[in-house]
Amino acid sequence: TQLLEQSPQFLSIQEGENLTVYCNSSSVFSSLQWYRQEPGEGPVLLVTVVTGGEVKKLKRLTFQFGDARKDSSLHITAAQPGDTGLYLCAGAPLGNTPLVFGKGTRLSVIA
Amino acid sequence: NAGVTQTPKFQVLKTGQSMTLQCAQDMNHNSMYWYRQDPGMGLRLIYYSASEGTTDKGEVPNGYNVSRLNKREFSLRLESAAPSQTSVYFCASSGGGASGGRYTQYFGPGTRLTVL
Repeated sequence: TQLLEQSPQFLSIQEGENLTVYCNSSSVFSSLQWYRQEPGEGPVLLVTVVTGGEVKKLKRLTFQFGDARKDSSLHITAAQPGDTGLYLCAGAPLGNTPLVFGKGTRLSVIA
Repeated sequence: NAGVTQTPKFQVLKTGQSMTLQCAQDMNHNSMYWYRQDPGMGLRLIYYSASEGTTDKGEVPNGYNVSRLNKREFSLRLESAAPSQTSVYFCASSGGGASGGRYTQYFGPGTRLTVL
């Protein structure tokens, strides 16, 4: 079974601070997705990264896929209270099997 | 376009009771999934259906059964509910095959189930 380890599990920061969330595995994935989940709702896709070394930016969010396609990071610049939520990474195994989800990072941004 | 809908939103059961969670999608997706989400455990896959007429076990299938009724609908049944099945259940769909890697998974709003 392929595993994705996310860290940190919890993060509480002040508005305006920067932060990075990590998603690591010993397995190679064909692609990796990041989802955000708000309380009482289902996860919503933020981005998919496919190529090793790929960097994608979504406003203040920067996503990177590791060169070996085993890890990924999410960096948020100048965090805002609206960024509060649960961030989940999900990897697509090389075979035709479903996504593997990490356990999530719960982010709280305090105004 | 409603996306993925789930019913009911909330449910309380007594140990041993049965129930069926309903899920429907209107995006003409091939693949559908059932997950459970528990504190600190992330999303765990219960069952999935890569296409109409097929179903496969995920990581935690014990105590559950599923039916892919047609391309739109995928139901999850608890035959004899146990307190360990208290959780939030999410249904999702995606346009691709079971890998889902190249395809976005769209999630429903969840069903909050408590088993007493």
